[in-house]
Amino acid sequence: QVQLVQSGPEVKKPGASVKVSCKASGYTFTRYGISWVRQAPGQGLEWMGWISGSSDNINYAQKFQDRVTMTTDTATSTAYMELRGLRSDDAAVYYCARGESAGAGSYYTQKTTFDYWGQGTLVTVSS
Amino acid sequence: SFELTQPPSVSVSPGQTANITCSGDKLGKTYTSWYQQRPFQSPMLVIFQDTKRPSGIPERFSGSNSGNTATLTIRGTQAMDEADYYCQAWDVSTVLFGGGTKLTVL
Repeated sequence: QVQLVQSGPEVKKPGASVKVSCKASGYTFTRYGISWVRQAPGQGLEWMGWISGSSDNINYAQKFQDRVTMTTDTATSTAYMELRGLRSDDAAVYYCARGESAGAGSYYTQKTTFDYWGQGTLVTVSS
Repeated sequence: SFELTQPPSVSVSPGQTANITCSGDKLGKTYTSWYQQRPFQSPMLVIFQDTKRPSGIPERFSGSNSGNTATLTIRGTQAMDEADYYCQAWDVSTVLFGGGTKLTVL
């Protein structure tokens, strides 16, 4: 069965960086993309970006373009999201989600949906 | 990019039909997905490509998309359906989420 297992909670100081991992299993990693979505306490879902399994197609939300880097390791079927210059308003649960693109493989289309989600990683930003 | 607007809350009695709407300027020209999020859980896909149900999602969940509004319909609502629901669409190369609707089953 498809599973996305994320790394554990993180506590960071303002200005620091955090790197969250998302290990996939139960499917061919390079045939799908991964998106990262965050959720601040009591708030809605916010999309951060997309990376194809083989990392040949990367697309960051404009809001995070200067501070985020998404990578994948095909040898371990793991996706990573690094966010730099952490601020208090970056405190959130960060989710990875598999992108299902209705036959378009690991590239996103207007049909792409997120069919499996990781358990979430809580990132706390505090001095 | 356009925005997706959802009502903050919807209430329904058990066994009745709940309709949750998602409005956006160009929504009818793209595809909408819906996610259910129960408290302290990850989101779960319940509808994709406007009307399709993933395997394992009960038939009481259905979706539609016309004009500028997509609608998630839950027929015969059960207590277990009480959750937050988010619509999602793509605007070219950007993923948009609605603000979420809290469904209360009274």
